[in-house]
Amino acid sequence: EDKVVQSPLSLVVHEGDTVTLNCSYEVTNFRSLLWYKQEKKAPTFLFMLTSSGIEKKSGRLSSILDKKELFSILNITATQTGDSAVYLCAVEAANSGGSNYKLTFGKGTLLTVNP
Amino acid sequence: GAVVSQHPSRVICKSGTSVKIECRSLDFQATTMFWYRQFPKQSLMLMATSNEGSKATYEQGVEKDKFLINHASLTLSTLTVTSAHPEDSSFYICSARDLQGRSTEAFFGQGTRLTVV
Repeated sequence: EDKVVQSPLSLVVHEGDTVTLNCSYEVTNFRSLLWYKQEKKAPTFLFMLTSSGIEKKSGRLSSILDKKELFSILNITATQTGDSAVYLCAVEAANSGGSNYKLTFGKGTLLTVNP
Repeated sequence: GAVVSQHPSRVICKSGTSVKIECRSLDFQATTMFWYRQFPKQSLMLMATSNEGSKATYEQGVEKDKFLINHASLTLSTLTVTSAHPEDSSFYICSARDLQGRSTEAFFGQGTRLTVV
């Protein structure tokens, strides 16, 4: 069974702090790892990672994947109160026949940024 | 970016009735749509994978007779919760992938908050 584990489950920081969120996985037929930000409703896409060691960056957010050690990190620098959300990591894996695929989500990290 | 529209966003129904939730891809064709369920403070749990023109593939523990999924076209999938009970109250989210099935992001609908009373 595919497994995605995120840590920490929750985190409280002050504005301006830098945070690192972790995601480790065990899946068969790995295709990609995705990070999402979920506020009140549906998740919004942040990054998709397929190759090891290549950092993806968007503003104050960045992420990198290590396919050998089977984990990814999401960094947020100079945090703002608007960064408060649940950050979800999901791993896409193909089925044994390779004809279909699905996303398995971690439980998420609840980030609270206080002013 | 691609848009997935989910309707309704919120529904309250009586126990024993059925509720239909629609998921539409607005600007792309989705051969595959996914239905998730999310309980408070928990992650998204995949319920089923819906392929256009064929039967949905359900995850272990999900009752296919209770959660009916239809994916009749490349832009529409529906989830019907039949004979709803209070324990079915949850947040249901759909997501869709584009026609080519490239390894791209999955686009999510806005979600449906179902409350069964």
